[in-house]
Amino acid sequence: DVKVTQSSRYLVKRTGEKVFLECVQDMDHENMFWYRQDPGLGLRLIYFSYDVKMKEKGDIPEGYSVSREKKERFSLILESASTNQTSMYLCASTPGTGGPSTEAFFGQGTRLTVV
Amino acid sequence: ELKVEQNPLFLSMQEGKNYTIYCNYSTTSDRLYWYRQDPGKSLESLFVLLSNGAVKQEGRLMASLDTKARLSTLHITAAVHDLSATYFCAVEVHSGYALNFGKGTSLLVTP
Repeated sequence: DVKVTQSSRYLVKRTGEKVFLECVQDMDHENMFWYRQDPGLGLRLIYFSYDVKMKEKGDIPEGYSVSREKKERFSLILESASTNQTSMYLCASTPGTGGPSTEAFFGQGTRLTVV
Repeated sequence: ELKVEQNPLFLSMQEGKNYTIYCNYSTTSDRLYWYRQDPGKSLESLFVLLSNGAVKQEGRLMASLDTKARLSTLHITAAVHDLSATYFCAVEVHSGYALNFGKGTSLLVTP
């Protein structure tokens, strides 16, 4: 059974804190993604990674960074949390390019509240 | 910039009725995905459409893809309450690239 696991379901952090959101997949997927989901805005891509130690900015990277030291793990870092980063964060992974399907598998989500 | 537009964004329908959700996208793509999300939960894959003319059916849901019109539809037949959820379409511009999502259609099926 394919699995993408996010380390926390719910987090409450204070403004200015450094926040780490962790994501692990057990499917040997090449690609991993971080999205945030807000009401009325759908899912917006923050960062993604095609390989270990590689990262690419998505549509809304400001205020975030990422780390991918191992293939199975992709971390999202909020350098200094702000209230406008209160959101649902979703991690996803897909196989490498060129395959018949690059269906994305999602983690269960982390609901982050910054106070 | 790829744009993915779903409509309607909100849909309230009675049990037993039929309806269609539309997904339009702005650039060429061979692959389109439909996902379902229940409140407070993550996204569950429903359909993967990989070519023009693709049609897939699962229970009361049927999805189709017209790449020339840049349009996908999700048709609901004889709706039941269990179908109440938010449905997202997502488009992949290049193989392996990140998916671009529509804003979602929030479906409520009432007795």
